[in-house]
Amino acid sequence: IAGITQAPTSQILAAGRRMTLRCTQDMRHNAMYWYRQDLGLGLRLIHYSNTAGTTGKGEVPDGYSVSRANTDDFPLTLASAVPSQTSVYFCASSEGQGANEQFFGPGTRLTVL
Amino acid sequence: GQNIDQPTEMTATEGAIVQINCTYQTSGFNGLFWYQQHAGEAPTFLSYNVLDGLEEKGRFSSFLSRSKGYSYLLLKELQMKDSASYLCAVMDSNYQLIWGAGTKLIIKP
Repeated sequence: IAGITQAPTSQILAAGRRMTLRCTQDMRHNAMYWYRQDLGLGLRLIHYSNTAGTTGKGEVPDGYSVSRANTDDFPLTLASAVPSQTSVYFCASSEGQGANEQFFGPGTRLTVL
Repeated sequence: GQNIDQPTEMTATEGAIVQINCTYQTSGFNGLFWYQQHAGEAPTFLSYNVLDGLEEKGRFSSFLSRSKGYSYLLLKELQMKDSASYLCAVMDSNYQLIWGAGTKLIIKP
């Protein structure tokens, strides 16, 4: 693989279910991010990780959790999905925190019913 | 609060020039980014400005005025493939990107 991959591509989920969105990068980037993108709104940061073993909260972290056990993987978990979490989710990575270009995965389209 | 403003939609003609403006108010400033996003796809990096002035990269140029909290993206010799959304983002004092809602650019033949 080259770059960032996300899985699944799309998912329809019943409210109350648990869901993990997967993200893997092969660029050995230190920093990784999870965003959600909703119509009419800018990308909003959910959680980030500046390096393996550390995570931080972004602008809209409620209802989501992340882990960073190694450099390559950064899964996002919805513990109990709600309809307001219907969105397109993008994972991104950069060489480090700061003024570095962020590379984006192809996105996961999630619908919570 | 933090705010990034850009027009919702713009229309231009193939072969012409278009300027997409972005104004911002953020807590701190560590650079301004422009990304391109085709419908249904991921954003891709276009440009980065941290100092005042114009950065040129082929058909695309980006300008920054930090004192005015203002940037623009200039696209020359428009092609149909330039039809996309253009996202302005500012890196704040916490080194997090604050994103505008994007400008949808429609190119007409």
